Amino acid sequence: ELKVEQNPLFLSMQEGKNYTIYCNYSTTSDRLYWYRQDPGKSLESLFVLLSNGAVKQEGRLMASLDTKARLSTLHITAAVHDLSATYFCAVDRGKTSGSRLTFGEGTQLTVNP
Amino acid sequence: GAVVSQHPSRVICKSGTSVKIECRSLDFQATTMFWYRQFPKQSLMLMATSNEGSKATYEQGVEKDKFLINHASLTLSTLTVTSAHPEDSSFYICSASGRELSFNTEAFFGQGTRLTVV
Repeated sequence: ELKVEQNPLFLSMQEGKNYTIYCNYSTTSDRLYWYRQDPGKSLESLFVLLSNGAVKQEGRLMASLDTKARLSTLHITAAVHDLSATYFCAVDRGKTSGSRLTFGEGTQLTVNP
Repeated sequence: GAVVSQHPSRVICKSGTSVKIECRSLDFQATTMFWYRQFPKQSLMLMATSNEGSKATYEQGVEKDKFLINHASLTLSTLTVTSAHPEDSSFYICSASGRELSFNTEAFFGQGTRLTVV
């Protein structure tokens, strides 16, 4: 059974600081996704990581994937209040890219002024 | 990205009644649709996978007779919660993936449906 673990689950940080969220998963997969969820809303796709060593950046967020270590990271640079949300990583269980996703528990990020 | 529309966004129903939720892909053909459930402050759990024209595949522990899924066309899947009870109150989210190559690496999520059973 595929397990996906995120840490930390709760993160409170000051504006301007840097931090990393970690996502570990238990079985082989080369498709990993990061999503953002605001309260009461659905998921917003942030990154799609499809191969070992993949690194993607968008604004203050950068995601990477190490399939050998079964680890993905989401790095936040110089956090701003607008980044406050819950962040999920998800691993695709499908043999084809059907996106049968197993989600991590989520990291609730609060950025304080 | 592609657009997936879910309807309704919120629904309140009485215990014992049935509720239907629709998930539509607006600008692509969704060969596969997925239904997830999210309880408050928790993660998303996959309930079932539906392929157009065939029976849905349910995840372990999900009652297929309670959560009826129909994927009759390449743009529409429906989830019917039958004989709903308060414990079925949750946020239901669909996602869809398509046959085109550019869509083959990602599924696109609907806005979600907040179901409250009273």
